[in-house]
Amino acid sequence: GAGVSQTPSNKVTEKGKYVELRCDPISGHTALYWYRQSLGQGPEFLIYFQGTGAADDSGLPNDRFFAVRPEGSVSTLKIQRTERGDSAVYLCASSSTTGALGDTQYFGPGTRLTVL
Amino acid sequence: SQKIEQNSEALNIQEGKTATLTCNYTNYSPAYLQWYRQDPGRGPVFLLLIRENEKEKRKERLKVTFDTTLKQSLFHITASQPADSATYLCALDMMDSSYKLIFGSGTRLLVRP
Repeated sequence: GAGVSQTPSNKVTEKGKYVELRCDPISGHTALYWYRQSLGQGPEFLIYFQGTGAADDSGLPNDRFFAVRPEGSVSTLKIQRTERGDSAVYLCASSSTTGALGDTQYFGPGTRLTVL
Repeated sequence: SQKIEQNSEALNIQEGKTATLTCNYTNYSPAYLQWYRQDPGRGPVFLLLIRENEKEKRKERLKVTFDTTLKQSLFHITASQPADSATYLCALDMMDSSYKLIFGSGTRLLVRP
């Protein structure tokens, strides 16, 4: 595709439910990132994939959060037992080739998650 | 502690003037510093990158400076236009294994016609 796409654009769920957020990166981009952005704040790093493997998951806040990228393209961020504090915009970004230092990261429009 | 600070108050300027946005950081040693633009409901869009050994970078009406001694970057938009109104985020590009970006909270720019 032309850019990074994310689905759904909006997700409303109840506390305690499970949600999945999907990211389709730019075709051919090997590096994929998930960030979380709360209102009035900048994006906060969650996890980085290089190909199929999670090379850095140090930003995941706790074990309720998990992400996969089984074929090295599409990624899914999974949140179990959602809490109201999980409400935020979840952004996905991809970058080309090796995702090396200084590579431009291209962001998707985000998924706005609201936990009631 | 590690911090990235951008003016939390909106910058309100007249069309045609130069907008200057500030990004200060403490206890980081970034290899690069990047500036992004974010419009409401959208993801950030890359604007400029400057390396630690560069003092200044320009692209059309945009100029970025990077002072690693002061730990500060300034972002300038000359001849500003109402279409420049957006939130501008600075991001540190760390020389670590994941190349993740560490963002400031952004400054909202409003350009009045």
